[in-house]
This record gives sequence, C-alpha cells and structure tokens, in this order.
Amino acid sequence: DARVTQTPRHKVTEMGQEVTMRCQPILGHNTVFWYRQTMMQGLELLAYFRNRAPLDDSGMPKDRFSAEMPDATLATLKIQPSEPRDSAVYFCASGLWGENQPQHFGDGTRLSIL
Amino acid sequence: GNSVTQMEGPVTLSEEAFLTINCTYTATGYPSLFWYVQYPGEGLQLLLKATKADDKGSNKGFEATYRKETTSFHLEKGSVQVSDSAVYFCALGLSGDGGYQKVTFGTGTKLQVIP
Repeated sequence: DARVTQTPRHKVTEMGQEVTMRCQPILGHNTVFWYRQTMMQGLELLAYFRNRAPLDDSGMPKDRFSAEMPDATLATLKIQPSEPRDSAVYFCASGLWGENQPQHFGDGTRLSIL
Repeated sequence: GNSVTQMEGPVTLSEEAFLTINCTYTATGYPSLFWYVQYPGEGLQLLLKATKADDKGSNKGFEATYRKETTSFHLEKGSVQVSDSAVYFCALGLSGDGGYQKVTFGTGTKLQVIP
C-alpha cells in the first residue's frame, strides 16, 4: 500500500533552534495537510495545500512557522525559532481534492524542544 | 461553527464485549462523516465513512450509521479484540468556499481491550 512518509520520526533539540520536518505525500495526491497533535489541544490543522499552493494556513503561528511545497513530492514544515510549547507530534496527511475524500496520514514526527 | 463531540475515554472492555463509541456533530451544512483509528506510534487511518443520511459505513467488523435526525454517527462493533486497542476519532468533512473539504476531528476516544 502507498504511504505518506515523514522524516524525521523523532527530533529533540534546544529552544531557539530551527526545526525542519519533511513529508512525502502519496504519489498522485493533490492535497497535503499539516496537523499538530497534543494531549491538551488534540489534533489541530496548521496548514494545507492544493496542487502545491497554500490554501489555508490560519492555524499556524505565522511569526515562527512556515510551510512550503517545493515540488509535488515534498512538503516541509519549519519552525524558527523553536520554543518548548512547540513540543508535539506533527502529522502530514495527503489526499485527493473533492468531497468525501479521506486523508491518508503519515506516522508523524515527535518533536521535543528542551 | 462545525464541531464533533465524542464520548470521554478511556473505554475499557473485555475481549469479545460489545463496543459503542458515541459521536455527535454540529455542522452548517450537509457533511460527510468519518471514523479514523490511531494505533500507538502511528498516524490516523481511515476506518469507515458515510456520505449521506442513513448510509452505513463498515470495515473490519466496525459499523456506524449516519443519523441526520439525531446528528450522530456512533461507532459499534459486536465483539472487540485486544488488537482493537487504539484511539478512535470521529470527524466530519464539509465543503467550503472554493470547493475544498475541511475536516473537523473530535478529541478522540481511547479504547483498551483486555484479554
């Protein structure tokens, strides 16, 4: 089965460092989503793309987070500078544009900011 | 706004017990409804979906019926197994401006099945 691939699976770094998370969507999928999951807030949508163009990034702290799709096979989420409150599991998901289309999730990047 | 409310967990059941996880929704429109499952250390996986009223989604012994009159989409399984231990998320999808479908997830319900 085709899968969404996320790297790294785990990341531990110190406050103030730049963090880059990568996602390879399923080939042929034209929408990509970034989510953050924490115990307190649950699953939060940070941003999503259609055909590599950002459609909605209202859930993302603009001052430190940025999301891009340099090409159809790579999506990136960057945090600069990172803060302890950014510690969470970050998920990428991909899917097909349109109604009733499910999202296919990667296994996530577990981020710890010390 | 759109929202999904799930029963609080954790839910602990013995193997072969009957499972119900309640889910109700609020939506300004006519949503599609989904159940996703998350196993430890993994991402969410689609379990089943229903796209219109009275539709029944089913997969791996799990079922859920889209009830428009009660705005509910309760998940059921007749006989749970230890391998069903996971977190279950109810979600709704609703098309917005430009045709995109925004998905709203519930907070998740943890299920633990003991032998």
